[in-house]
Amino acid sequence: QVQLQESGPGLVKPSETLSLTCIVSGGSVTSGAYYWSWIRQPPGKGLEWIGYIYYSGSTNYNPSLKSRVTISADTSKNQFSLKLSSVTAADTAVYYCARESWRRLDYWGQGTLVTVSS
Amino acid sequence: EIVLTQSPATLSLSPGERATLSCRASQSVRSYLAWYQHKPGQPPRVLIYDASTRATGIPARFSGSGSGTDFTLTISSLEPEDFAVYYCQQRSDWLTFGGGTKVEIK
Repeated sequence: QVQLQESGPGLVKPSETLSLTCIVSGGSVTSGAYYWSWIRQPPGKGLEWIGYIYYSGSTNYNPSLKSRVTISADTSKNQFSLKLSSVTAADTAVYYCARESWRRLDYWGQGTLVTVSS
Repeated sequence: EIVLTQSPATLSLSPGERATLSCRASQSVRSYLAWYQHKPGQPPRVLIYDASTRATGIPARFSGSGSGTDFTLTISSLEPEDFAVYYCQQRSDWLTFGGGTKVEIK
């Protein structure tokens, strides 16, 4: 059974960089044909896809966030990470990591709330 | 960007009733559409993928239909645990979600 768990600071100051890590167990970030994704949900709003890193290491980002987002993987630790720079209050959200398989997100982390505030 | 529009925004129904949720895409997504159930404090759970395939462990009362731009999620008889927010998601282009439909108890 694949399990994902987000970790990182719950509070980030405006203009700083949000950094989260997703630890994967029961599966490998280098195993074939999976996209390791980040999704967020601002309070009271819907879901927004942030981007993914493919098992091959290639990445793809939501165009609206592309200039601020970096997703990377540490295969030795079987985890992948999100960095979102120059954050504002609008980046306050529950952040989820998830695995995309055959066009659907089949495994999700529990989510972590990140608040942007001074 | 492919925009997904869900309707209605809120559906007020009683247990045992049939729920019909709609998702319309701004351009064809072929059959690359999934549906999720989302409850407070939990991550979303995939119900349907490729428009009509039930995910593992999903009860048969959940069904999906459609292709191209118009899709429907049907819950044949609502159980108490089905009251939640439902999202559609496409993967024809870069991944986008619809705005959600809240199914609430009448």
